[in-house]
Amino acid sequence: DAMVIQNPRYQVTQFGKPVTLSCSQTLNHNVMYWYQQKSSQAPKLLFHYYDKDFNNEADTPDNFQSRRPNTSFCFLDIRSPGLGDAAMYLCATSRGRTSYNEQFFGPGTRLTVL
Amino acid sequence: GIQVEQSPPDLILQEGANSTLRCNFSDSVNNLQWFHQNPWGQLINLFYIPSGTKQNGRLSATTVATERYSLLYISSSQTTDSGVYFCAVERSYNQGGKLIFGQGTELSVKP
Repeated sequence: DAMVIQNPRYQVTQFGKPVTLSCSQTLNHNVMYWYQQKSSQAPKLLFHYYDKDFNNEADTPDNFQSRRPNTSFCFLDIRSPGLGDAAMYLCATSRGRTSYNEQFFGPGTRLTVL
Repeated sequence: GIQVEQSPPDLILQEGANSTLRCNFSDSVNNLQWFHQNPWGQLINLFYIPSGTKQNGRLSATTVATERYSLLYISSSQTTDSGVYFCAVERSYNQGGKLIFGQGTELSVKP
C-alpha cells in the first residue's frame, strides 16, 4: 500500500544535541510537509516543500531546518534541541500545492529532550 | 487569519451511542478535512469534504460551505472510536497547502 513512513517512531535526545527525523513516501506526491504537535494541542505547520521549492512558515524557529534530497524523502533537522522542542513531529504529503489536494499523514515521531 | 472552532471540546459516550461533532470556520475555504488521531498519535484521514455530504460506514460528514460549518456524525460508537477528532481547513491556493487545525474534540467511548 502507498504510504507515508516516519523513522524513528520514538526519538530521545539530549538538550543541545542535534537530531534528525526522517520521512519517506511511496505516494509519489509533489508536496511534503512537517508539522509540530505539542501535548494537547493541534498540529502546527513548520514548513513544506513543493518539489524542491522550500517554504518556511514565518514563525518557525531558525533551530529547525529541512532537507529534501529527492521526491521520496524529507528530513527534519533540529540543530540544538531545547526542552520546549519535545513534541510529536508529523510528516504529511499531498499530490499538488493547490488547496484542492488532500493531505496524508505519517505515524509521527515522538521526540523527547532530556 | 482564518479561525477554526470545534465543539464540544470533550465528549464521553457509552458504546453504541451516536454523536455529532461540529467545526465552524471564519472564512470561505477550499479544503476541509476531518481526521481521527488515534492513541498512538497517528492522524487518520476520515473525510476530505470542502462541501457536500459523504458517508463511510458508521461515519458521515456534511459541510455547508455557505454557512461555514461542517459536521461529523458517528453512529453506533465503538471503543475504538476513542481519540481526538480534528477538523482542518485551507483557505486558498495562496496558503500553499497550509492546513489550519481546530483544537479538536476528544472522544472517549466507554464499554
